[in-house]
Amino acid sequence: EAGVVQSPRYKIIEKKQPVAFWCNPISGHNTLYWYRQNLGQGPELLIRYENEEAVDDSQLPKDRFSAERLKGVDSTLKIQPAELGDSAVYLCASQASGGIGGELFFGEGSRLTVL
Amino acid sequence: AQSVTQLGSHVSVSEGALVLLRCNYSSSVPPYLFWYVQYPNQGLQLLLKYTSAATLVKGINGFEAEFKKSETSFHLTKPSAHMRDAAEYFCAVSVSGGYNKLIFGAGTRLAVHP
Repeated sequence: EAGVVQSPRYKIIEKKQPVAFWCNPISGHNTLYWYRQNLGQGPELLIRYENEEAVDDSQLPKDRFSAERLKGVDSTLKIQPAELGDSAVYLCASQASGGIGGELFFGEGSRLTVL
Repeated sequence: AQSVTQLGSHVSVSEGALVLLRCNYSSSVPPYLFWYVQYPNQGLQLLLKYTSAATLVKGINGFEAEFKKSETSFHLTKPSAHMRDAAEYFCAVSVSGGYNKLIFGAGTRLAVHP
């Protein structure tokens, strides 16, 4: 069974440029998460989807970040415009259902460097 | 609000020695607790989890953790370290509210030397 797939693995852009990250979760997983991991820190939740609905986006900086999960499968996270402080690893995770205590399956992440 | 503190950002042990990675949590309600491992250039992988059943939880690769409510701790141990255990380890608590919102600690990087 394929795991969570993310692309691109690495992205280098200049500040003020846009960037997008794509995630394909494990087949059949209804719940999808985007996390941001800053250097030397643990992941922090940005947004959570149940199917195509964003049920928790309270920590998503909505002035420059947006996300979508059309048809409840793949998801895209966009930053426009990027700032220096956005340099981080963006992790996508999926879960069979959103119930508490369940296992999250993580992708390898997309490492963003903003110059 | 729930939070997790991992004591020691770096831990170094000899191969064959005991591994002890410390995690303390703060939660106003009974928590769900997790340990995840991140090998270089890979995603996070679940090692083990505590979900209010047995307080001693056994996970993959010989790791185990003990939930101690009185100490608000969930330390991760392994009796004998292997070189392949070198990785970053994250403790996490699941926020109550009906769904699995994980709050992660800052991580502990484990180095294993011959």
